[in-house]
Amino acid sequence: GAVVSQHPSRVICKSGTSVKIECRSLDFQATTMFWYRQFPKQSLMLMATSNEGSKATYEQGVEKDKFLINHASLTLSTLTVTSAHPEDSSFYICSANDHGGGREQFFGPGTRLTVL
Amino acid sequence: SQQGEEDPQALSIQEGENATMNCSYKTSINNLQWYRQNSGRGLVHLILIRSNEREKHSGRLRVTLDTSKKSSSLLITASRAADTASYFCATDRYGYSTLTFGKGTMLLVSP
Repeated sequence: GAVVSQHPSRVICKSGTSVKIECRSLDFQATTMFWYRQFPKQSLMLMATSNEGSKATYEQGVEKDKFLINHASLTLSTLTVTSAHPEDSSFYICSANDHGGGREQFFGPGTRLTVL
Repeated sequence: SQQGEEDPQALSIQEGENATMNCSYKTSINNLQWYRQNSGRGLVHLILIRSNEREKHSGRLRVTLDTSKKSSSLLITASRAADTASYFCATDRYGYSTLTFGKGTMLLVSP
């Protein structure tokens, strides 16, 4: 099956710093990648849809300037949490599909961000 | 936005028993999928059912879909301790690539 990786798996940073999370599709080309956020014991909340070569589409309430998304190639999307604060601490998960039309999405293992 | 509601929120059973989880949604859908998530991990795709399908099987999994009631159920038969995880339904709509997740059911299977 298709494999999606995320790096790092876990990161701890100081308040005010920026953190970059990478999402890679390892054995397929992902025209579309998705970034989700998950708080403990809650469901996944879609943050943004990332399309290769174009600007990301953010969900309502998600700050574009705080969560910078870059999808520079068909196998890599990055999420940068800028000027992170403790309330940004969460589990960030990416997913990808190569159909661009819903259906099955392949999920990365997630990145646990802790902001001190 | 979250449109799915799963029930129960938590389910505790013994090994060998069947586990049934339900999911309801609000808008018309193209497909409905079920995912599994072990604690602190990513999601694993279990099964996809299309809006024109009513039932689908995969191993010990059985999924039903009732579009008139906007609901779906996931049945896991002969459960095992390794089935302990959170289970989420997710829907997509025609013309949209995004998934909308339900709130999930936490399943605990005791040996």
